[in-house]
Amino acid sequence: EAGVAQSPRYKIIEKRQSVAFWCNPISGHATLYWYQQILGQGPKLLIQFQNNGVVDDSQLPKDRFSAERLKGVDSTLKIQPAKLEDSAVYLCASMPYWGKTEAFFGQGTRLTVV
Amino acid sequence: AQTVTQSQPEMSVQEAETVTLSCTYDTSESDYYLFWYKQPPSRQMILVIRQEAYKQQNATENRFSVNFQKAAKSFSLKISDSQLGDAAMYFCAYRSASGNQFYFGTGTSLTVIP
Repeated sequence: EAGVAQSPRYKIIEKRQSVAFWCNPISGHATLYWYQQILGQGPKLLIQFQNNGVVDDSQLPKDRFSAERLKGVDSTLKIQPAKLEDSAVYLCASMPYWGKTEAFFGQGTRLTVV
Repeated sequence: AQTVTQSQPEMSVQEAETVTLSCTYDTSESDYYLFWYKQPPSRQMILVIRQEAYKQQNATENRFSVNFQKAAKSFSLKISDSQLGDAAMYFCAYRSASGNQFYFGTGTSLTVIP
């Protein structure tokens, strides 16, 4: 079974530039999460999708961050314009719609804003 | 929102010895799941062990076991016969049985000393 795929693995941009991250979840997983993980901290949920609908985006800085999940499969997270404090690892995870299961994570994208 | 607390930012253990990582959580729910995830330098979060709150028996996966104290809201991870490959960040996570959102602690960095 293929895992959660994310790209790119690394990205360096200047502040005020824009950047986009891509995630392809495990096939058949209805729930998709984007987390932000700042160095030394635990993952913080940015947005949660159920199929192609947003379940929770309460912690997404909507003035600069946006996310979509096309056709309920893969997803993109965009930052525009980036700030220095956006430097972090962005993790994508997926999970079947329901069940006693865990979330499955991708390898993340490390973003550095200079 | 539920909170998950890991009070040990760093721990170390001699190879082949046993170490216990602590986790406490705060919830008013009676049915939920608890997880320990491992995050090596490659950044991918990998499930170590899962506990269902309605089960009184502590979960065990090979060298990994938990001590689940529901009344005390405590969920510690014991790693026996520690190996060099166990060195990583360990995150405790909570998920309600009625929802799909995960809450993570701040992590414990485990060093294994040869």
